[in-house]
Amino acid sequence: DTAVSQTPKYLVTQMGNDKSIKCEQNLGHDTMYWYKQDSKKFLKIMFSYNNKELIINETVPNRFSPKSPDKAHLNLHINSLELGDSAVYFCASSNTGANSPLHFGNGTRLTVT
Amino acid sequence: SQQGEEDPQALSIQEGENATMNCSYKTSINNLQWYRQNSGRGLVHLILIRSNEREKHSGRLRVTLDTSKKSSSLLITASRAADTASYFCATGTNTGNQFYFGTGTSLTVIP
Repeated sequence: DTAVSQTPKYLVTQMGNDKSIKCEQNLGHDTMYWYKQDSKKFLKIMFSYNNKELIINETVPNRFSPKSPDKAHLNLHINSLELGDSAVYFCASSNTGANSPLHFGNGTRLTVT
Repeated sequence: SQQGEEDPQALSIQEGENATMNCSYKTSINNLQWYRQNSGRGLVHLILIRSNEREKHSGRLRVTLDTSKKSSSLLITASRAADTASYFCATGTNTGNQFYFGTGTSLTVIP
């Protein structure tokens, strides 16, 4: 049973296109995240939702729009894709609380050509 | 910045040796966590140490935390080839679920 699942695993698209990545967790967690990992493996937090409410919104272009229809799902929509958006995007979830570890999905490798 | 910074960037050892990785950070923290990332996979939580703890053990893992120096170390004893992965530290803040990662240490254990 996959705890945090993301789709698709790979996404290849052209500049200017709009794409979405979906994430679902079956751990009963109430907080979900999107992270971006660049080619140097630096992992940067983008967004965090708690019970469908946005609680962290780091400096991210407004072309990126997260949507949480319920606390088990957090999707990421990206408009007008740019070359620099190429990266691996990770979804994660945790319980609320400073000492709750993150559970990650296996990532979506986005390549913009 | 709030991110952790791991050192060294890359480490190569023989199977059976110990591996030590370090993490430095810049702001006050509530806890510090270590994660492992195998190639092509997501991060897996290894161990969490709270800001009022100095040392923690889990199996072959030993983590230390020195809040006065804003640093932590992860020791993997008796390394195995399966320990080959990237290791990341993440700092957790007092304001809730905010975790900041660095670029990781890439560990290679040679059989």
